[in-house]
Amino acid sequence: RKEVEQDPGPFNVPEGATVAFNCTYSNSASQSFFWYRQDCRKEPKLLMSVYSSGNEDGRFTAQLNRASQYISLLIRDSKLSDSATYLCVVTSWGGNQFYFGTGTSLTVIP
Amino acid sequence: GAVVSQHPSWVICKSGTSVKIECRSLDFQATTMFWYRQFPKQSLMLMATSNEGSKATYEQGVEKDKFLINHASLTLSTLTVTSAHPEDSSFYICSARGQYEQYFGPGTRLTVT
Repeated sequence: RKEVEQDPGPFNVPEGATVAFNCTYSNSASQSFFWYRQDCRKEPKLLMSVYSSGNEDGRFTAQLNRASQYISLLIRDSKLSDSATYLCVVTSWGGNQFYFGTGTSLTVIP
Repeated sequence: GAVVSQHPSWVICKSGTSVKIECRSLDFQATTMFWYRQFPKQSLMLMATSNEGSKATYEQGVEKDKFLINHASLTLSTLTVTSAHPEDSSFYICSARGQYEQYFGPGTRLTVT
């Protein structure tokens, strides 16, 4: 079983739409959780960390559900510039190993 | 924020030759660096963990004699793809762990002809 599983999409949404991605992880002892964004032919860049209490950064909201072992990312009022691949990342206990999901492709359409 | 650089950013080489990729942490010391490979439309796959002053730890299925890793200083790790084949063509990304997150290099696109 993979450490992290994501729906690869693609998600094609119109500008202004709200879109949500989920990601499940297999190890209940996982320590930290992140969403990274990767543009085509570029390196991943940290979008936001995910906390049990949930966190919001502008149009982006991340949630962690430890009981069900999933994390989510909600994007409101989608912009064309949000088009990218969103990677769910989970670390092992101790934080030494980073496990990446396969990524979810988002295209925002004018 | 922390910066990780990679060199070269892209390289084309002939089958059978070796290619060295450098990964540097520019404003922080990194005792541990990671090497990933990403094929088109696939996620990053960890190849190995590079430890300063000791041998790298390779993931299952990654040939240590083919992908040589040297982490000679706290700011530099190198990956050498030896006797490259066309199937080694990929996007190679290094990262270094900061206090709270991993910082990724810009990646090296390797094409083996």
